[in-house]
Amino acid sequence: KNEVEQSPQNLTAQEGEFITINCSYSVGISALHWLQQHPGGGIVSLFMLSSGKKKHGRLIATINIQEKHSSLHITASHPRDSAVYICAVSPKGSASKLTFGTGTRLQVTL
Amino acid sequence: DAGVTQSPTHLIKTRGQQVTLRCSPKSGHDTVSWYQQALGQGPQFIFQYYEEEERQRGNFPDRFSGHQFPNYSSELNVNALLLGDSALYLCASSLNQGWDTEAFFGQGTRLTVV
Repeated sequence: KNEVEQSPQNLTAQEGEFITINCSYSVGISALHWLQQHPGGGIVSLFMLSSGKKKHGRLIATINIQEKHSSLHITASHPRDSAVYICAVSPKGSASKLTFGTGTRLQVTL
Repeated sequence: DAGVTQSPTHLIKTRGQQVTLRCSPKSGHDTVSWYQQALGQGPQFIFQYYEEEERQRGNFPDRFSGHQFPNYSSELNVNALLLGDSALYLCASSLNQGWDTEAFFGQGTRLTVV
């Protein structure tokens, strides 16, 4: 079993829909990261959080440390949001080493 | 302010050859981590360099080695290439503050071994 599990693996949505991607992890962490990867490879960090909730534009990330669970929400989705969204955790005692989930491939259509 | 830059962007090598990939961290960052991402998979941690030393290592064979220079840039070397080494190699830089900080990623080097 992977230390970081994401669901769903693939997601297709219509423009304007509210999207939720889930991440569960099984290790103690010091931080959880949400990342975006476009075709071609480059990864962009969206959020780093260790508690509560963060919001940036149409993106919202929440984390529940007790339940070892995080969600990434996209409001009013747009085709440019199409990408792979990856959850990664920094295990305790492993400064800056990230353990990644396998990603959620999101396709937003018109 | 340049972010993390990696070179080359694409590379084709033959089995048995050796390859060197390069990474320049974001300005002000002192820690460089390398990841291997196979097609359709999440990145896997290879190792991390700080103060010119390998600080942590993932589950990769000794064929994978690295180096960090005084200017914090880093190289990843892979010897005796195997077909299975074909992947996107990502470099991430961060600032060592004794607690986890945000990592910034480069665009990656896509290595194809034939």
